[in-house]
Amino acid sequence: DGGITQSPKYLFRKEGQNVTLSCEQNLNHDAMYWYRQDPGQGLRLIYYSQIVNDFQKGDIAEGYSVSREKKESFPLTVTSAQKNPTAFYLCASSVLRELLSTDTQYFGPGTRLTVL
Amino acid sequence: EDKVVQSPLSLVVHEGDTVTLNCSYEVTNFRSLLWYKQEKKAPTFLFMLTSSGIEKKSGRLSSILDKKELFSILNITATQTGDSAVYLCAVLSSNTGKLIFGQGTTLQVKP
Repeated sequence: DGGITQSPKYLFRKEGQNVTLSCEQNLNHDAMYWYRQDPGQGLRLIYYSQIVNDFQKGDIAEGYSVSREKKESFPLTVTSAQKNPTAFYLCASSVLRELLSTDTQYFGPGTRLTVL
Repeated sequence: EDKVVQSPLSLVVHEGDTVTLNCSYEVTNFRSLLWYKQEKKAPTFLFMLTSSGIEKKSGRLSSILDKKELFSILNITATQTGDSAVYLCAVLSSNTGKLIFGQGTTLQVKP
């Protein structure tokens, strides 16, 4: 069945370690996004990609890196440079490269990252 | 700076009550406003609003946009415990082509 999958669901890491969060979609969507969600702060955009092999920084890209080698995959690496990485991470996709006024984003189930 | 503000941030009601959630925005070159419901996992799409004064309705949920006063409301009538969730409002700006999210409203419906 079609959709967006994220893995793992829960992730624990020690301070100083890099960790990669997976996001896969089989919807044939062009654009993919990574958001971070903290209590009381809504969703904040980390990175987004409109086409393969291209991506742009969002509002809070520092300490994160991404790649888009395949249309269906957009992994996010949380590096040791990210000062406060404990959060809920959501991946999303949309049909076209640019979000139209008639379009919406579809979200994955999220990964909850806890730094110990 | 573009921003989206939701109120209240949290709300506790009893089953059968009617609730109104608010979303105000200051966004350059507004394109559309979206409402999502999030129950611990992926936000699910509720409504998209682009025109003022036209109510969108789905069962007990309805929403309307006022582009002059720059706000939208989401109404839920005859609330049920299954309505308990975080409700997110987001605005699409043609300047950036990206969604700007509000902080969310956490709704708890008690039996």
